[in-house]
Amino acid sequence: ETGVTQSPTHLIKTRGQQVTLRCSSQSGHNTVSWYQQALGQGPQFIFQYYREEENGRGNFPPRFSGLQFPNYSSELNVNALELDDSALYLCASSTPGLAGGPRPADTQYFGPGTRLTVL
Amino acid sequence: KNEVEQSPQNLTAQEGEFITINCSYSVGISALHWLQQHPGGGIVSLFMLSSGKKKHGRLIATINIQEKHSSLHITASHPRDSAVYICAAGYGGATNKLIFGTGTLLAVQP
Repeated sequence: ETGVTQSPTHLIKTRGQQVTLRCSSQSGHNTVSWYQQALGQGPQFIFQYYREEENGRGNFPPRFSGLQFPNYSSELNVNALELDDSALYLCASSTPGLAGGPRPADTQYFGPGTRLTVL
Repeated sequence: KNEVEQSPQNLTAQEGEFITINCSYSVGISALHWLQQHPGGGIVSLFMLSSGKKKHGRLIATINIQEKHSSLHITASHPRDSAVYICAAGYGGATNKLIFGTGTLLAVQP
């Protein structure tokens, strides 16, 4: 148990629709990252939020957007869904180190993921 | 070419065997993480290394910064060790994003 939860567990959408995925982190975890994991692949970094601001983005189009809230929850929104968006979406939260701000050595706590299928 | 590469992609072992999974990365990193992913998706962090070696129970992780290479070893493997093992690199900067390898699917047979 990592203390990180995601909802929903599974979701089926059709092409062109919009989807919102949710992540709830442990108290005090002010950094959250979202990853997309296609079948048989390693996770790919979508973006990260630190103290409710975007703090880095991977190679994903603007129709992937996010929000982080003061209660340590966050959302991933995907507009105009495409078939290739079918994947497992993972969130990972962490606490800042002593120096403040996310660091590469931070332990990351992953949620169980949301499996999105786009038909 | 992925920045982080793992080998082998698939590994089948008999219970009790010593197992080694390798990870290489292309540029200098600040931290190397080993993670375990079970069927259904949940990922658990096993180790974070920036140098040397770490041990936890039957798991040992080593890293050679000069050779840009890390290994995960499992001693006295057990069927419950069956999972996907993933190495991931942290490259510094203002984020703690991870660049993942594609994973090694380990099956330990009784």
